[in-house]
Amino acid sequence: NAGVTQTPKFQVLKTGQSMTLQCAQDMNHEYMSWYRQDPGMGLRLIHYSVGAGITDQGEVPNGYNVSRSTTEDFPLRLLSAAPSQTSVYFCASSYSLPGAGYGYTFGSGTRLTVV
Amino acid sequence: TQLLEQSPQFLSIQEGENLTVYCNSSSVFSSLQWYRQEPGEGPVLLVTVVTGGEVKKLKRLTFQFGDARKDSSLHITAAQTGDTGLYLCAGAGSGNTGKLIFGQGTTLQVKP
Repeated sequence: NAGVTQTPKFQVLKTGQSMTLQCAQDMNHEYMSWYRQDPGMGLRLIHYSVGAGITDQGEVPNGYNVSRSTTEDFPLRLLSAAPSQTSVYFCASSYSLPGAGYGYTFGSGTRLTVV
Repeated sequence: TQLLEQSPQFLSIQEGENLTVYCNSSSVFSSLQWYRQEPGEGPVLLVTVVTGGEVKKLKRLTFQFGDARKDSSLHITAAQTGDTGLYLCAGAGSGNTGKLIFGQGTTLQVKP
């Protein structure tokens, strides 16, 4: 079982460049999210989706775009990279069961450095 | 804005000791989750608690959801070196959005 697959694992960008972080899940989960993790700040929600064609902003959406054309894929686009976007990015997917909450599965992360 | 305060941020103990990590908020959550994360990896779900006052056990780990669903705790009995890692709590708000708000995390080091 692949679970949640993120690519690339590492990336170095120059300021102003754009790129897309890929995320795919094979569990038919309806919910998908993107987080960034910075030292001492836990995980902060960038964008999330409750199903194909539906996305919304999280806590720190500026500088990022998402789309969800299929249940499986949820790419994150950096429009014009800035050093402040140096971080570790995690994609996650979840089911939702009435009375049982959510069960998020995380990818292994993309370590992004913007110079 | 919903916030989750986790304490302590760092904990260094000897193998065999007990410990408790706290997760507190002024907001009510529909469910709360605990994750464990190892260096270079994504968080791994340990447990989800949904009902106020709920207690769940996972071997030596005991998770409790506060009666008012605003706080939670993770208690580890007789810690082992394999328990070393970053522990994160995360709360889900009302509504079926799938959004999780994470605490800052507790870094646990268990020394042999």
